[in-house]
Amino acid sequence: QVQLQESGTGLVKPSETLSLTCTVSGDSIGSHYWSWIRQPPGKGLEWIGYVYNSGRTDYNPSLKSRVTMSVDTSTNQFSLKLTSVTAADTAVYYCARDVVATGFDSWGQGTLVTVSA
Amino acid sequence: DIQMTQSPSTLSASVGDRVTITCRASQSITDWLAWYQQKPGKAPKLLIYKASTLKSGVPSRFSGGGSGTEFTLTISGLQPDDFATYYCQQYRSYSPLTFGQGTKVEIK
Repeated sequence: QVQLQESGTGLVKPSETLSLTCTVSGDSIGSHYWSWIRQPPGKGLEWIGYVYNSGRTDYNPSLKSRVTMSVDTSTNQFSLKLTSVTAADTAVYYCARDVVATGFDSWGQGTLVTVSA
Repeated sequence: DIQMTQSPSTLSASVGDRVTITCRASQSITDWLAWYQQKPGKAPKLLIYKASTLKSGVPSRFSGGGSGTEFTLTISGLQPDDFATYYCQQYRSYSPLTFGQGTKVEIK
């Protein structure tokens, strides 16, 4: 059974870079697409982007200029970097497995990232 | 972007009720639609994909329908565990993937 676990800094200062890692167990990271999704407090879900094992990525155009995702097949992890953060980037960040033609079938528990000085 | 609009935003119902949530897409997504259930403080869970295919392990009281631009999620015989927020999501286009704004099913 696949499990995903987010890790990273929970408090980031405005204008700095948010960095998160998702560790995957129970599945090879080379087998699927892997996405980051966020949810501001009390609000809905926003897809940030995905990364594939080849390093192929696709990002939400609304965040594309600030987002970088990468994958490390040796550690079965993938990561998210979001630059120049503001308070609007405060959210619970989820990593999720994106199975082709199926949707997000497995999710991490989520990690709250707060942007504040 | 493909906009996804859910209705209603909030739904009050009782245990045993049959409830239906509607999701409309701003353009045709054929049947590339998923439904998720989210409880407070938890990650969303996939219920249905390809508009009407129930994920393994999801109770059969959940059903999905529709194609093109209009879709429904029906819960037949609401159970206490079903009070949650439900989201639809289109995956016809990754530019970008988009979710509905959510429908909260609360106890009447």
